[in-house]
Amino acid sequence: GENVEQHPSTLSVQEGDSAVIKCTYSDSASNYFPWYKQELGKRPQLIIDIRSNVGEKKDQRIAVTLNKTAKHFSLHITETQPEDSAVYFCAASIAGGSEKLVFGKGTKLTVNP
Amino acid sequence: DSGVTQTPKHLITATGQRVTLRCSPRSGDLSVYWYQQSLDQGLQFLIQYYNGEERAKGNILERFSAQQFPDLHSELNLSSLELGDSALYFCASSVQAGSDTEAFFGQGTRLTVV
Repeated sequence: GENVEQHPSTLSVQEGDSAVIKCTYSDSASNYFPWYKQELGKRPQLIIDIRSNVGEKKDQRIAVTLNKTAKHFSLHITETQPEDSAVYFCAASIAGGSEKLVFGKGTKLTVNP
Repeated sequence: DSGVTQTPKHLITATGQRVTLRCSPRSGDLSVYWYQQSLDQGLQFLIQYYNGEERAKGNILERFSAQQFPDLHSELNLSSLELGDSALYFCASSVQAGSDTEAFFGQGTRLTVV
């Protein structure tokens, strides 16, 4: 089955710096890659997603890149702010079959003011 | 508010007991997912239902079972509870069974087994 590895498990940056979180997946049939943000004590919420027919997607300070050949995708946050501090989860899924979302173990991002 | 409602929010029970967690999906969503999040762990997929039928199964223990009812709400039953079952259990829903649609999460049920 699908396996998603996420790195790093913790990341600390200074406010204004960029943060990059990387994920790799095992099943080449995966075609949907969402990123969720989970603030302390709250539910995970989708922040951005990318499908396999696209190599990059950007939404303001957040961007996601996908390399299908290498089976990895990354989340980039620019100009980080303290409110970006949270746990970020990547996920991968396969349409037309199991259709389950498999999550990485999460990255705890801390943005220091 | 995601529109996904989970009850109860907190549950404390003893080992060996059985509990039922309830999830009401967003209006119009046919697909329901259950996830377990243990301390310092990621989101572990348990099971997915679509329009009343089991669609996908993850690392769900045999002591756990779930179902989705005609009104589309879902219940996760956990029996013979062990200390290690203490976790945050999330329900998520999406419009369709297809994986490339956003899943909206409920606030979770925090289960503590003592």
